[in-house]
Formats: sequence, structure tokens, C-alpha cells
Amino acid sequence: QVQLVESGGGVVQPGGSLRLSCAASGFTFSSYAMHWVRQAPGKGLDWVAFIRYDGSNKYYADSVKGRFTISRDNSKNTLFLQMNSLRAEDTAVYYCAKVNYYGSGNYYRGEYYFDYWGQGTLVTVSS
Amino acid sequence: QSVLTQPPSVSGAPGQRVTISCTGSSSNIGAGYDVHWYQQLPGTAPKLLIYANSNRPSGVPARFSGSKSGTSASLAITGLQAEDEADYYCQSYDSSLSGSVFGGGTKLTVL
Repeated sequence: QVQLVESGGGVVQPGGSLRLSCAASGFTFSSYAMHWVRQAPGKGLDWVAFIRYDGSNKYYADSVKGRFTISRDNSKNTLFLQMNSLRAEDTAVYYCAKVNYYGSGNYYRGEYYFDYWGQGTLVTVSS
Repeated sequence: QSVLTQPPSVSGAPGQRVTISCTGSSSNIGAGYDVHWYQQLPGTAPKLLIYANSNRPSGVPARFSGSKSGTSASLAITGLQAEDEADYYCQSYDSSLSGSVFGGGTKLTVL
């Protein structure tokens, strides 16, 4: 069965860095796009970043652009999120989510949804 | 401020029907992009409930249904049960972001 297991969260000071990992199993990781989605304490879901199945395309939310980098290692079935210049407002549970496509499977037509989510890893930015 | 707008809360008695709205704009729902719905039980990760406006993944009860019209979408839950008490989120694609957008979430309380 599909499993997504995030790790790497913790407490970091403002301006610091952290690298999150998401270990995937139970599906052909190299065939699927992946996303990071976060949720601040007591708040709603907030899309963070997308990476194409082969890593050739990446998109970011404006709030993290230039500070966060999404990447993947298909040989190790692992997704990453490098987070630099962290701010208090980045405090959240970070989820990795697997994409499933439908229709023509065109990302730019929004023909995808998140069919599996990890359990999340908590990142706390505080001095 | 979420890009998609949902009511913060809805409530209903067991057995009743409730609906949750999700309103977008011309760069997301209004542009024709589909809407997907997720259920998040307390302390757990979101779970897919409805995809492509009105499709239920296997295992999701028929009590859950979705629809979309213009710049809005709706999730309907009939025959409310205590275990339906959760947060519900709508999600779509936004062409101005080249990424996903979510609603702010709606807390469903079963009275």
C-alpha cells in the first residue's frame, strides 16, 4: 500500500534552515509528481510547492519562493524540501502529497488531485 | 486569507443534510478548473473525499456528493453521522500561481 513518511521537522531559529524528507513506498515514485502542503497550527491547508515526476519542473507559492527548494531523488524514492531563511510564519505541519492525474493528465489544466498524504512533520520557527 | 472562500463552520443534527460552499475567482474555479474536496479528522492528515467536482474515490460513502457551477462548488453530506465531524477543504488549480489553492476550511459539527 502507498506510504509517505515525512521526517526532518524540528525547532529552528528565525533565519535558520531545515531540510525535510518524504520517503515514499508502495507505488512507482518516479512516475508521479509530488507536492508539499503545510498547515499552521489551528489553520487551514496551504500549498507550498510542486515537482514534476522527473524533477524537470517546479513551482512554488509566492510566500516561499526564493527561500524553499523542492527536489527529489527517484533512485531513493525520496522527496525533499530545503527551507532557508525561515520565518515565524513558516511554523506549520508539513505534508508531502502524491498526485493522481485524470482526464488528459495535464498539470496546467489542473487535472490532478492529492490521493495520498503523509502523516506530516512539524516545523517550529522560534527564538 | 485563502484564495478559495468557505464558510468557517456548518452544523447539523444526525440524519440531516448539510452543504459546504467553496467560492473562487476567474483564475481558478471560474476559469473552469475542477474542484476537489478533502476531509480532515482531528489530528490526522487530510483524506480525499471528492475529486473532479463530483467523483467519489472507492470507499467514500455515497452520502458525500459534490457539484460545481460557475465560480463556485459545493459539497453535500446527507444522512449526517457523528463520525462526519471534521474539517472539510476544497482545492483547485490557479493559473496565476501555476499551483494549487485551498479553501480556508469548514468545521462541521454534528449536533
